[in-house]
Amino acid sequence: DTAVSQTPKYLVTQMGNDKSIKCEQNLGHDTMYWYKQDSKKFLKIMFSYNNKELIINETVPNRFSPKSPDKAHLNLHINSLELGDSAVYFCASSQEAAVNQPQHFGDGTRLSIL
Amino acid sequence: GNSVTQMEGPVTLSEEAFLTINCTYTATGYPSLFWYVQYPGEGLQLLLKATKADDKGSNKGFEATYRKETTSFHLEKGSVQVSDSAVYFCALSYNTDKLIFGTGTRLQVFP
Repeated sequence: DTAVSQTPKYLVTQMGNDKSIKCEQNLGHDTMYWYKQDSKKFLKIMFSYNNKELIINETVPNRFSPKSPDKAHLNLHINSLELGDSAVYFCASSQEAAVNQPQHFGDGTRLSIL
Repeated sequence: GNSVTQMEGPVTLSEEAFLTINCTYTATGYPSLFWYVQYPGEGLQLLLKATKADDKGSNKGFEATYRKETTSFHLEKGSVQVSDSAVYFCALSYNTDKLIFGTGTRLQVFP
């Protein structure tokens, strides 16, 4: 069974559209994350949630809105997509929001804006 | 602020060669340090970690030692295989669970 699963794997859409990416983890973890990886492979955290509560919110445009209906799910909704949003988005989870906890990553969602 | 610096890639090696990927960090205290690996088309996987000075993390033949005096966490492997070809990320976390990643180093191993 996949531990952290994201859907869709690929997403191609036009500028100005609204889209969502879903993430689910079956590890029983309390904390979930969204990361953005740009074309140069640079990886940066966007958000983290602990037990459905937002705990990290980096400098991300408010067009990006995470939603956590329960602690096993963290979805990412993006409004008014822009060319610069093209990237691979990774969901991750960890047992708890602690310094030395390893994070488990999904396989990523490649978002391409036309 | 806290940051991680990795050697630029790609690193190109022949099978069975010795690997070193350099990583240095800047942090206000004593962070936890990690190496993650990303195989083509996949997400990141934790390779190894060290949470205090002089700790050595090891996994799958890879090793890295937390060196406080040089603020380094270099990744090494004695004999690489073609299957080790991937992008390797050094990362730290300090005071929070937020991971700060280096820019990644691509390793290409040829038979």
